[in-house]
Amino acid sequence: DTAVSQTPKYLVTQMGNDKSIKCEQNLGHDTMYWYKQDSKKFLKIMFSYNNKELIINETVPNRFSPKSPDKAHLNLHINSLELGDSAVYFCASSQTGDRHQPQHFGDGTRLSIL
Amino acid sequence: AQTVTQSQPEMSVQEAETVTLSCTYDTSESDYYLFWYKQPPSRQMILVIRQEAYKQQNATENRFSVNFQKAAKSFSLKISDSQLGDAAMYFCAYRSKYTGNQFYFGTGTSLTVIP
Repeated sequence: DTAVSQTPKYLVTQMGNDKSIKCEQNLGHDTMYWYKQDSKKFLKIMFSYNNKELIINETVPNRFSPKSPDKAHLNLHINSLELGDSAVYFCASSQTGDRHQPQHFGDGTRLSIL
Repeated sequence: AQTVTQSQPEMSVQEAETVTLSCTYDTSESDYYLFWYKQPPSRQMILVIRQEAYKQQNATENRFSVNFQKAAKSFSLKISDSQLGDAAMYFCAYRSKYTGNQFYFGTGTSLTVIP
């Protein structure tokens, strides 16, 4: 069974479009995250969402908005896509109560902007 | 904010040999958690090993072990008897015990295993 699943795995779209990436975890974790991995492989936190509290990284443009319908889902909506948004986006989850627990990652979504 | 530095963008090792990947971090906290993740070409992020800062004993998982030097804020990963399947990007990550809940990642080290 997949612990953290993201859809789609690949997303190719035109500049200016609006798109969403879905993430679901079946681990019963309290906290979910979105990371952006750039072309140099650097993983940077975008958002973390814990029990209805959203923590936003200040460097993330407001075109990016996470939405959590419930504890098991954290979707990422991106408006007015730009060329610089091309990257691999990873969803992750962890059990906040135990900070020594690792984060479990999805397989990533490769977003390509034409 | 905490920072994590991996000073070796690329490393290579002969199959069956041992390689050490370095990681340093900057924090003012006394207790925290450190992790190594592996990212093969398939893009998955796979936990390799974890260390709790208050534990002096270095963590070990089969062929993987760490050299944790708390005073020096150093957390290196040693891979023994390297195998072809070890070829991947390796990321060092820090997590606070008290504040925030996200991981801070280093920039990664690309490991090549030479047959």
